[in-house]
Amino acid sequence: EAQVTQNPRYLITVTGKKLTVTCSQNMNHEYMSWYRQDPGLGLRQIYYSMNVEVTDKGDVPEGYKVSRKEKRNFPLILESPSPNQTSLYFCASSLGRNTGELFFGEGSRLTVL
Amino acid sequence: AQKITQTQPGMFVQEKEAVTLDCTYDTSDQSYGLFWYKQPSSGEMIFLIYQGSYDEQNATEGRYSLNFQKARKSANLVISASQLGDSAMYFCAMRERNTGGFKTIFGAGTRLFVKA
Repeated sequence: EAQVTQNPRYLITVTGKKLTVTCSQNMNHEYMSWYRQDPGLGLRQIYYSMNVEVTDKGDVPEGYKVSRKEKRNFPLILESPSPNQTSLYFCASSLGRNTGELFFGEGSRLTVL
Repeated sequence: AQKITQTQPGMFVQEKEAVTLDCTYDTSDQSYGLFWYKQPSSGEMIFLIYQGSYDEQNATEGRYSLNFQKARKSANLVISASQLGDSAMYFCAMRERNTGGFKTIFGAGTRLFVKA
């Protein structure tokens, strides 16, 4: 089954404790992206990747890191989480062309205390 | 500046009636794509419909159609014969080129309530 898998789905952590949200897709998609969803703001792009070893900042990259060492994986790293990073996070992937719709993971709800 | 504007935070529609969800966008690109996604209360994001900037016909997918008015930069979603299961959050999105490749940006969303 074609899918985007995120882990963990739910996480409560404390300020400053490094964490990684993993994302993996099995559709051989070139393009992968991370979004955060906050009430009234829709989805805002954090980082995206056009292919292996090619990443770029989205609209809200501060406090996040990403890497793309393999085509299927695109982990999101919070080196020192803060409460303003409490949010619902989505990983998404698509074919690397302008017309490809995004396939989303189920979301990861993160709470930083 | 907002690139994707959805002016209706919430809307009500009677079951079996049609409803239009508004979306306007801003881009200087000639080549771009417009999308609508549905997010039910369970939280997943579901792709509904796509319109390319060069497509001359409005896109349709079952009960969903996209009213694309390029000169006005609007891409409204029309849902015909609303069903109770259509109650959800709806997001308009635009994919455009940038220096790094492509970028997809979303509007703030419209929450649709379908009344029995």
